[in-house]
Amino acid sequence: IAGITQAPTSQILAAGRRMTLRCTQDMRHNAMYWYRQDLGLGLRLIHYSNTAGTTGKGEVPDGYSVSRANTDDFPLTLASAVPSQTSVYFCASAAGQGTDTQYFGPGTRLTVL
Amino acid sequence: GQNIDQPTEMTATEGAIVQINCTYQTSGFNGLFWYQQHAGEAPTFLSYNVLDGLEEKGRFSSFLSRSKGYSYLLLKELQMKDSASYLCAVADSNYQLIWGAGTKLIIKP
Repeated sequence: IAGITQAPTSQILAAGRRMTLRCTQDMRHNAMYWYRQDLGLGLRLIHYSNTAGTTGKGEVPDGYSVSRANTDDFPLTLASAVPSQTSVYFCASAAGQGTDTQYFGPGTRLTVL
Repeated sequence: GQNIDQPTEMTATEGAIVQINCTYQTSGFNGLFWYQQHAGEAPTFLSYNVLDGLEEKGRFSSFLSRSKGYSYLLLKELQMKDSASYLCAVADSNYQLIWGAGTKLIIKP
């Protein structure tokens, strides 16, 4: 693989179910991010990780959790999905925190019914 | 609060020039980014400005005025493939990116 990948591409999920969105990068980037993108709104940061083993909360963290066990992987978990979590989710990575350019994965389109 | 404002939609003609404006109010400033996003795809990096002035990169240029909280993206010799959304984002005092909602640019032949 080259760059940053996400899985699944799309998913329809019943409310109340648990779901993990996967994100993997092979660029050895230290920083990784999860965003959601909703129509008419800018990208909103859910959680971030500046380096393996550390995570932080973004603007809209409620209902989501993340882990960063190694450099390459940064999964996002919805413990109990709700319809308001219907969105397009983008994972991104950057060489470092701060103003390094962020590179985005292709996104996961999630629908919660 | 933190706020990034961009026009929702703009229309331009193939071969012409278009300027997409972005104004911002953020807690701190550590640079401004422009990204391009085609429909159904991921955002891709276009430019980064941290000092006042114009940065030119081929057909695309980006301008920043920190005192005015203002930036613009200038696209010259428009091509149909430039039809996309253009996202403005500011790195705040914590180096978190604050994103505008994006400007959808429609190019007509």
